[in-house]
Amino acid sequence: DTAVSQTPKYLVTQMGNDKSIKCEQNLGHDTMYWYKQDSKKFLKIMFSYNNKELIINETVPNRFSPKSPDKAHLNLHINSLELGDSAVYFCASSLYPTRSPRGEQFFGPGTRLTVL
Amino acid sequence: AQKITQTQPGMFVQEKEAVTLDCTYDTSDPSYGLFWYKQPSSGEMIFLIYQGSYDQQNATEGRYSLNFQKARKSANLVISASQLGDSAMYFCAMRELTPTGNQFYFGTGTSLTVIP
Repeated sequence: DTAVSQTPKYLVTQMGNDKSIKCEQNLGHDTMYWYKQDSKKFLKIMFSYNNKELIINETVPNRFSPKSPDKAHLNLHINSLELGDSAVYFCASSLYPTRSPRGEQFFGPGTRLTVL
Repeated sequence: AQKITQTQPGMFVQEKEAVTLDCTYDTSDPSYGLFWYKQPSSGEMIFLIYQGSYDQQNATEGRYSLNFQKARKSANLVISASQLGDSAMYFCAMRELTPTGNQFYFGTGTSLTVIP
């Protein structure tokens, strides 16, 4: 019954490694997002993606790349991990605005990434 | 300019009392949505309440109500009869409709502590 799921919940890795976080939603939503929440709880949007377009926050390093095999999945790949990448990463989804004027986002449980 | 401003980093309220969490927003888009999310210490992001820019009445969801003052561009969250379980971070967010879809903006959050 989980609406938006992410795996893994915790990820501990060494600097320089490449890692992926998976996200799946079973809500029938057509727009998915990735957020980074830092230690001060500030939420920063990284990407938003629907079946037509990927919108990238220009401040996100190109070491981060989203990959969407289908509408229900949006995975996050991170290359050459750095200490500053340590954060909680949230996946979210919503309906495209023409399908829902409300369009609230539903969030996954988050993935806590620790880079050593 | 900040799209969403939450000026209260931390708030305290006595159990069973009401509390207001402030939020102001900045947009020139006539069609937008305003949201409040709760993030307890367990980390998940929980959608609380939504207010559309064209809604004539203030939104209410149980003990939550949104004091929407369009001319002042404020969307304060009012929690009535506070409970210990209300202790959490609260985020105000805004959705703008762009040609490419939804664009979401989050505030920096307010940490609410309910005192027994």
